[in-house]
Amino acid sequence: DVKVTQSSRYLVKRTGEKVFLECVQDMDHENMFWYRQDPGLGLRLIYFSYDVKMKEKGDIPEGYSVSREKKERFSLILESASTNQTSMYLCASSSRGRGPSEQYFGPGTRLTVT
Amino acid sequence: TQLLEQSPQFLSIQEGENLTVYCNSSSVFSSLQWYRQEPGEGPVLLVTVVTGGEVKKLKRLTFQFGDARKDSSLHITAAQPGDTGLYLCAGVRSSNTGKLIFGQGTTLQVKP
Repeated sequence: DVKVTQSSRYLVKRTGEKVFLECVQDMDHENMFWYRQDPGLGLRLIYFSYDVKMKEKGDIPEGYSVSREKKERFSLILESASTNQTSMYLCASSSRGRGPSEQYFGPGTRLTVT
Repeated sequence: TQLLEQSPQFLSIQEGENLTVYCNSSSVFSSLQWYRQEPGEGPVLLVTVVTGGEVKKLKRLTFQFGDARKDSSLHITAAQPGDTGLYLCAGVRSSNTGKLIFGQGTTLQVKP
């Protein structure tokens, strides 16, 4: 059974704290993604990685950074959390190949910044 | 910037009714995917449509890709409470990278 796991389901942090969100996939996928999901806005891509140590900015990268030191692990970092980063964060992975591939999602981390 | 507009955003219907969700864009996509998300879970892929005019069926769900590959629809026949969830369309931006652009989502509630 394929799996994408995220380190926390719920997280509460204070403004200005550094926040780490971890994502691990067991499918040997090349591509990994971080999204944030807000009501009425769908999923918006924050960062994307297509290989170890490789990363590419998505549509809303400001205030975030990422790290991919191992193929199975993709971390999202909020350098200095702000209240407007309160959201649901979803990690996904997919294989690289010809044609559109399915993205497999983790269960999400609901982050509240107070 | 590529955008996907989904409508309606909310739908509350009785069990047994039919419904259609629309996903529209001014951009052409190489393919389009539909995902369903249940509370507390991540989205799960339902279908990928690739060819303009393509129709795919998944039990009571019928998916259609527009001829010009700019729009898609999801039709559910005789909705069941188990169909309740958030439905997301996603345009494939690049087959190489697998990057998607998502619509805003349609929240469907099917009442028994």
